[in-house]
Amino acid sequence: NAGVTQTPKFRVLKTGQSMTLLCAQDMNHEYMYWYRQDPGMGLRLIHYSVGEGTTAKGEVPDGYNVSRLKKQNFLLGLESAAPSQTSVYFCASLGTIQETQYFGPGTRLLVL
Amino acid sequence: QQQVKQSPQSLIVQKGGISIINCAYENTAFDYFPWYQQFPGKGPALLIAIRPDVSEKKEGRFTISFNKSAKQFSLHIMDSQPGDSATYFCAASNTGTASKLTFGTGTRLQVTL
Repeated sequence: NAGVTQTPKFRVLKTGQSMTLLCAQDMNHEYMYWYRQDPGMGLRLIHYSVGEGTTAKGEVPDGYNVSRLKKQNFLLGLESAAPSQTSVYFCASLGTIQETQYFGPGTRLLVL
Repeated sequence: QQQVKQSPQSLIVQKGGISIINCAYENTAFDYFPWYQQFPGKGPALLIAIRPDVSEKKEGRFTISFNKSAKQFSLHIMDSQPGDSATYFCAASNTGTASKLTFGTGTRLQVTL
């Protein structure tokens, strides 16, 4: 049981490049979330999903897109990376609203 | 608009002492209040959580105190140990809205020998 996994662990992009971050969970959870963590700002919600085929915007969605084609996977896309998107990205999943969110190990992204 | 305010930003406590971290929230619809612990290079991990129907919850050396009328909650770490040195985040969510977590800005705790 791996829990929540994220790939890649670290990536360097040039401004304007695109990339996709992958989150996978093996706990059959319905809810999945993408957060970004920046120094002094805690974690902020980018997008989330309440089930396969659904997505919704969080607090800071601009510049990001997501997809949840399979229940176990939640993809975060950056179409045209900007230096302001340099951050650590965390994925989380939740089984039912009575539980707590389980976080992955994070992806560190540097946009030059 | 920061809906969950956390203080202090950093904290140094001697081994065996009590660490206290405070949070205040604005949204009265929040009904779940977890504390997460994060070590460098790792994802946040749930430490302890409380719902507003109780005023205190204790798990080992960790206690959450909750004051619904003041919209405040705090984490107390008793007998603090060097292994507790980490960043702590309070959070809040409304389980009726997909349980989206709103986080505080974090407290870096250092426990010295």
